[in-house]
Amino acid sequence: KNEVEQSPQNLTAQEGEFITINCSYSVGISALHWLQQHPGGGIVSLFMLSSGKKKHGRLIATINIQEKHSSLHITASHPRDSAVYICAATGNQFYFGTGTSLTVIP
Amino acid sequence: DARVTQTPRHKVTEMGQEVTMRCQPILGHNTVFWYRQTMMQGLELLAYFRNRAPLDDSGMPKDRFSAEMPDATLATLKIQPSEPRDSAVYFCASGFGGSTWNEQFFGPGTRLTVL
Repeated sequence: KNEVEQSPQNLTAQEGEFITINCSYSVGISALHWLQQHPGGGIVSLFMLSSGKKKHGRLIATINIQEKHSSLHITASHPRDSAVYICAATGNQFYFGTGTSLTVIP
Repeated sequence: DARVTQTPRHKVTEMGQEVTMRCQPILGHNTVFWYRQTMMQGLELLAYFRNRAPLDDSGMPKDRFSAEMPDATLATLKIQPSEPRDSAVYFCASGFGGSTWNEQFFGPGTRLTVL
């Protein structure tokens, strides 16, 4: 069993759609991170959160500590949002989800 | 603008050869992380340093991998001897703070192919 589970694995959306990617974890954590990996391979840290919600532009990340669940939302999706989104949980160890591959079609 | 740099960007080598990957963290950052990414395993943490001291290298195969920070501006990851299963993209990331994981800034990665 993976300590961090992401869903869906793959997601295709039309430009403008609201997108949600989910992350569930089974271990105690100090922080939950969302990473974005572009087709070229570069990785960008989007959010680090330990409670509540954070917003940056069209991206919103939420976490529910009791339910051990986090979501990444993208509002008004755009083709440039096409990337792999990786959830990572950190506590005593580091655990990575397997990623969600998002394709936004114009 | 400040960014993490990694060299080389690509490396092709033969099995048994030594490989050294270098990382220059963002000036002022005090944490450095080494990750490996493969199609099969995804992202894995190999090792990380804070203030140049190794805090955790449990993700590294100890018999062939070693990670060091000779100074605050250079982190190295060595594989000796290399094996085909080491083929992967190796990312370095740096950050600043006292906790285990603050916001990290990733380098472009070194794509290693071991034949």
